[in-house]
Amino acid sequence: DAGITQSPRYKITETGRQVTLMCHQTWSHSYMFWYRQDLGHGLRLIYYSAAADITDKGEVPDGYVVSRSKTENFPLTLESATRSQTSVYFCASSFQGADSPLHFGNGTRLTVT
Amino acid sequence: GENVEQHPSTLSVQEGDSAVIKCTYSDSASNYFPWYKQELGKRPQLIIDIRSNVGEKKDQRIAVTLNKTAKHFSLHITETQPEDSAVYFCAASKGGSGNTGKLIFGQGTTLQVKP
Repeated sequence: DAGITQSPRYKITETGRQVTLMCHQTWSHSYMFWYRQDLGHGLRLIYYSAAADITDKGEVPDGYVVSRSKTENFPLTLESATRSQTSVYFCASSFQGADSPLHFGNGTRLTVT
Repeated sequence: GENVEQHPSTLSVQEGDSAVIKCTYSDSASNYFPWYKQELGKRPQLIIDIRSNVGEKKDQRIAVTLNKTAKHFSLHITETQPEDSAVYFCAASKGGSGNTGKLIFGQGTTLQVKP
């Protein structure tokens, strides 16, 4: 779905550094989500947002910070990256929350060395 | 907390055979159950979904069944084709205020369809 884009596609960073993953959608969907994907764990919800300035924790929020000052953007920040945060990160959006279809971005593959 | 268990983790079938993937969920308040397909290196994409007021839904070669009493739901793919090879994820969400953002995924099933 070209309406939701993530950047960068690939990122390598060092332990302790701050890194921000970007997510932008053009559908004006109210809801946006961040998931991480690791082998054996499927997709785990990090944070989600129901609207601008409204965010809430998911299953694995520790070590992450989100903000949503505009409806179309939902950046995810790792304030001090750790090796355990090496993963593929997917942003998604939906019109009506988690009980309507999610549209995923292409993902960001993050490696923390 | 909410939990979704998915089985099997891997499934190999011959082209033309059927494939069944099963999921169980823990929260009786869950009311929406989508299935996503993820091809290698790509994003997950919705293939079918079912709501708690429906017991079965079909779309061409794929179908989903839901048993609310037992808290499990299944994906059925008939006449499998090599292009069905992918990772499939089930998920369950809770409706109602305060829970509209939580879609919890199963661990995934890698389906291989052998020609």
